[in-house]
Amino acid sequence: GQQVMQIPQYQHVQEGEDFTTYCNSSTTLSNIQWYKQRPGGHPVFLIQLVKSGEVKKQKRLTFQFGEAKKNSSLHITATQTTDVGTYFCAGNSNYKLTFGKGTLLTVNP
Amino acid sequence: DADVTQTPRNRITKTGKRIMLECSQTKGHDRMYWYRQDPGLGLRLIYYSFDVKDINKGEISDGYSVSRQAQAKFSLSLESAIPNQTALYFCATSDSGGASPYEQYFGPGTRLTVT
Repeated sequence: GQQVMQIPQYQHVQEGEDFTTYCNSSTTLSNIQWYKQRPGGHPVFLIQLVKSGEVKKQKRLTFQFGEAKKNSSLHITATQTTDVGTYFCAGNSNYKLTFGKGTLLTVNP
Repeated sequence: DADVTQTPRNRITKTGKRIMLECSQTKGHDRMYWYRQDPGLGLRLIYYSFDVKDINKGEISDGYSVSRQAQAKFSLSLESAIPNQTALYFCATSDSGGASPYEQYFGPGTRLTVT
């Protein structure tokens, strides 16, 4: 079945540093989604990428979808303490999501 | 998301007991999902339902069963709970006819401990 690998598993940064998490799928994806889960919370949808090579920005967050639609990345510029949480990518196949294991981001103020 | 509710929020049960986790939604979505989350393993799909008459197994359905009582309600049962079913369980919904049909909305989760 479809597998989605995500790295790194953990990332600790100083406030103001940048952060990137990477996602790779074993199969070509129709689209990919990103979710954020705050500590003690539930996953919350951030964005969906559909097109090959697509880049989307949300304030300090930049999302990319690879040309082959098998990889994606999330980059946060100048992290803030509010960015703390686990970031998951999720590959879509027939309306079922296969989640990566997530990257836990901690930010030292 | 207050539109997707899960009961109970926390539950401790003993090995061999039957337990039901319930999910209700007021979003009017047709699709519903059950996931379990374990530390370091991310979210894994247990069962999903695309409408009331459609139930499908996910990647880890063994030991679980579900019931879609109505469009708004989707229950997950553990027929005979075992300790390795200790986990955080999430219900989610999506709207096949909406502007973003793939986006899933998660409930607050149920923390289940099997002793």
